[in-house]
Amino acid sequence: AQSVTQPDIHITVSEGASLELRCNYSYGATPYLFWYVQSPGQGLQLLLKYFSGDTLVQGIKGFEAEFKRSQSSFNLRKPSVHWSDAAEYFCAVGDYKLSFGAGTTVTVRA
Amino acid sequence: DAGVTQSPTHLIKTRGQQVTLRCSPKSGHDTVSWYQQALGQGPQFIFQYYEEEERQRGNFPDRFSGHQFPNYSSELNVNALLLGDSALYLCASSLRALGGETQYFGPGTRLLVL
Repeated sequence: AQSVTQPDIHITVSEGASLELRCNYSYGATPYLFWYVQSPGQGLQLLLKYFSGDTLVQGIKGFEAEFKRSQSSFNLRKPSVHWSDAAEYFCAVGDYKLSFGAGTTVTVRA
Repeated sequence: DAGVTQSPTHLIKTRGQQVTLRCSPKSGHDTVSWYQQALGQGPQFIFQYYEEEERQRGNFPDRFSGHQFPNYSSELNVNALLLGDSALYLCASSLRALGGETQYFGPGTRLLVL
């Protein structure tokens, strides 16, 4: 069975500081991994994805994520957070059917 | 290039009623998936349609059914609504031929069951 765990329910970060969101997955084969962002009352926007190849993937809005097979992790990072990054972030795993974590809410303080 | 669109944006129904939600996929996409997102939770996979057939299904009862039309658009139908069906319903589209599909989501339909 495939599943995702996002250990952090809520993270508060200062504007300009770095951000790291954790994601651990369970999947029977080579995983397809995704990070999505959701602003209040909105749908999901794809930030980045990993299918194969280079384990460090770059996404939109300055985000990157690193796939670590040995740790079954796919953590999301951003070097310098902007106030507009305040949102809910979801990690997902799967092929035709995506399984999502419960999400991490990011608050950005001035 | 139009993205995924969904209608209506909001809907209020009462218990026992039936509802139909609609989705138009992103241009060039042939596969539509539906997800239910309860408040404070991550989306849960309902089912996926490709070539007008249900290909994959999540752990949802038969009250949830769907349809895909020749133009790839899709409907989600929910019968005998329960209070617990209140949620944001998300449609995602993808191009199946690519494999390891990347799903692009619409803005969702927020359903409130009273």
